[in-house]
Amino acid sequence: GQNIDQPTEMTATEGAIVQINCTYQTSGFNGLFWYQQHAGEAPTFLSYNVLDGLEEKGRFSSFLSRSKGYSYLLLKELQMKDSASYLCAVRAAYNTDKLIFGTGTRLQVFP
Amino acid sequence: NAGVMQNPRHLVRRRGQEARLRCSPMKGHSHVYWYRQLPEEGLKFMVYLQKENIIDESGMPKERFSAEFPKEGPSILRIQQVVRGDSAAYFCASSPGASSYEQYFGPGTRLTVT
Repeated sequence: GQNIDQPTEMTATEGAIVQINCTYQTSGFNGLFWYQQHAGEAPTFLSYNVLDGLEEKGRFSSFLSRSKGYSYLLLKELQMKDSASYLCAVRAAYNTDKLIFGTGTRLQVFP
Repeated sequence: NAGVMQNPRHLVRRRGQEARLRCSPMKGHSHVYWYRQLPEEGLKFMVYLQKENIIDESGMPKERFSAEFPKEGPSILRIQQVVRGDSAAYFCASSPGASSYEQYFGPGTRLTVT
């Protein structure tokens, strides 16, 4: 089967660093994505990993270990506007671009 | 360059009616994906289409649901004889093609069945 796990909720303080973990068990693997979704809005793309290692993009970084079926999203210098849900998604096959999403991690940033 | 457009943004239907959800992909994008998000749940893949072709419909319920992406015009997700359990947010995403990895999401259509 296909299974993607991430914590349901996390809280952090403005200016801090937070790490959101994602583990996956899928029948295949062709890339892992992180999306941000504010309440009532569309998901917006944050990062993509297909090879092991760390991808850095401004305040956000994403890490992937394919052998462990594990990824994390690192958010630095947290701002209030970072309060949102963060969705981990896996593209599990080569012949289709469909994404398999976790349930999302709701992050709340406090002043 | 306009993003992915979906309409209507909100749709209310009574049980037994039909719902038609429209998605216009970004300019130059020929791949469309539909996802459903139930309250407090993650996005669930429904169907993947290219112009005039259904590529993967493994996430579509067997009955009442259908999707198309004609040569001209938007992609349409059609739900016949809606039931309360169909109430959800339906998101459409598009991508330029197989060489691109990112899917761009539209704002979604929130369907409420009364």
